[in-house]
Amino acid sequence: GNSVTQMEGPVTLSEEAFLTINCTYTATGYPSLFWYVQYPGEGLQLLLKATKADDKGSNKGFEATYRKETTSFHLEKGSVQVSDSAVYFCALTKPNTGGFKTIFGAGTRLFVKA
Amino acid sequence: SAVISQKPSRDICQRGTSLTIQCQVDSQVTMMFWYRQQPGQSLTLIATANQGSEATYESGFVIDKFPISRPNLTFSTLTVSNMSPEDSSIYLCSVDEPSNSGRTEAFFGQGTRLTVV
Repeated sequence: GNSVTQMEGPVTLSEEAFLTINCTYTATGYPSLFWYVQYPGEGLQLLLKATKADDKGSNKGFEATYRKETTSFHLEKGSVQVSDSAVYFCALTKPNTGGFKTIFGAGTRLFVKA
Repeated sequence: SAVISQKPSRDICQRGTSLTIQCQVDSQVTMMFWYRQQPGQSLTLIATANQGSEATYESGFVIDKFPISRPNLTFSTLTVSNMSPEDSSIYLCSVDEPSNSGRTEAFFGQGTRLTVV
C-alpha cells in the first residue's frame, strides 16, 4: 500500500546548523510529495511540494527534491533559526474515489536552540 | 487556495457528552476530510465526506461514534459522540484542491483542540 516513513524525532540543533529530515515513501504510480509544518499551537500549513520526479520544492530556505529512484523526499535547510522550531510532516497524495487522499508521515519535531 | 474556517477552536467537554465541529470552506469542493491528531502523534484520517452521500470511514472509525454531515459543497460537520478522555485530540478539517500544476495539495483548518474531562 501507500505509506510515508520519516525519521523519528525530536531533532535538536543549534541555530545556524544544517538540517536534514529524511522521508521515504511507498506508492504506486506517481504521487505528489509534500512537506507540511505545524508551529506550536497552530494548524498545519504547506511548506513545499514537488509533483514529479527530479522536481525541487523550496520555500523559506527549505528544500526537498523528489527522488523517484530512491523513493525519497528529504527536507533540508542550510542554516536553521529558532523560529523553525516546529513539527514537520512529510506527505503524499494518491488518487481516491472522486479525488485524492493525503497520507502523512509520523512527523518529526525540531527544536532549534539559540 | 482554499480558506477553511473551523469552529470551535477549542473546547473542554464532560465525558459522555457530544461535540459538533463545523468546517466552512470559502469555495465549493468535492471532498472534505476529517483528521484526528492525538497528542504527539501524526494525523489519522477519520473519514472522507462527499456532498449528497454518506461519509466513507477509515478502519477503526465508525459512524455511530463520529457522525458526519455534508449538506452542501462548502460545509461539513463532525460530531464526536459519547466522549471519553481518549477522544482528547486535535480534530482537523481538510480539503484537497488542484494546484497550478494540476496536482492537488491539502489545505487545513486551524483545528479544534478537544479536551475531555
